[in-house]
Amino acid sequence: QVQLVQSGAEVKKPGASVKVSCKASGYTFTSYGISWVRQAPGQGLEWMGWISAYNGNTNYAQKLQGRVTMTTDTSTSTAYMELRSLRSDDTAVYYCARGGDTAMVNYWGQGTLVTVSS
Amino acid sequence: QSALTQPPSASGSPGQSVTISCTGTSSDVGGYNYVSWYQQHPGKAPKLMIYEVSKRPSGVPDRFSGSKSGNTASLTVSGLQAEDEADYYCSSYAGSQEVFGGGTKLTVL
Repeated sequence: QVQLVQSGAEVKKPGASVKVSCKASGYTFTSYGISWVRQAPGQGLEWMGWISAYNGNTNYAQKLQGRVTMTTDTSTSTAYMELRSLRSDDTAVYYCARGGDTAMVNYWGQGTLVTVSS
Repeated sequence: QSALTQPPSASGSPGQSVTISCTGTSSDVGGYNYVSWYQQHPGKAPKLMIYEVSKRPSGVPDRFSGSKSGNTASLTVSGLQAEDEADYYCSSYAGSQEVFGGGTKLTVL
């Protein structure tokens, strides 16, 4: 069965960076892209970007351009999302999901809570 | 890219039907047939309910249906059940970007 297992919760200070991992299993990793979506406490979903696990092509949300980097490691079927220069409003649950860029997004990770606080 | 517009809340009694709208522009909803709907229960990850405007993933009851007219997409839940109470989000492809709606809290009375 398809599973996406994310890394654990993080607490970071403003200005720091965070790197969240998303390990995929149960399917051919390079056949699907990975989307990243975040949700601030009590707020809605926000699309962050997408990466092709086939060739590494990326699309990032315009508001995060320059602060976010998405990568994949095909040898371990793992996707990564790094967010730099963290601010308090980056506090959110970060989700990875299989699909995106017109392909259906039908499997989600369990979410990773990132808290940014001084 | 601005968020898609959804009503903040919707409600219906068990057995009734409810429709949730999702309004965008010709650059997102109106320009592509890649509108999705997600259901999210508190503390849980979102679940895909509809993709490509009106397609249902395997396992999603046929009580859930989607449609689109112009720049507005809609999700209809027929035969409301208690377990349908959740937040619902629409999303649309917008040409190398994706945009979500603000979410609609569906209450089953």
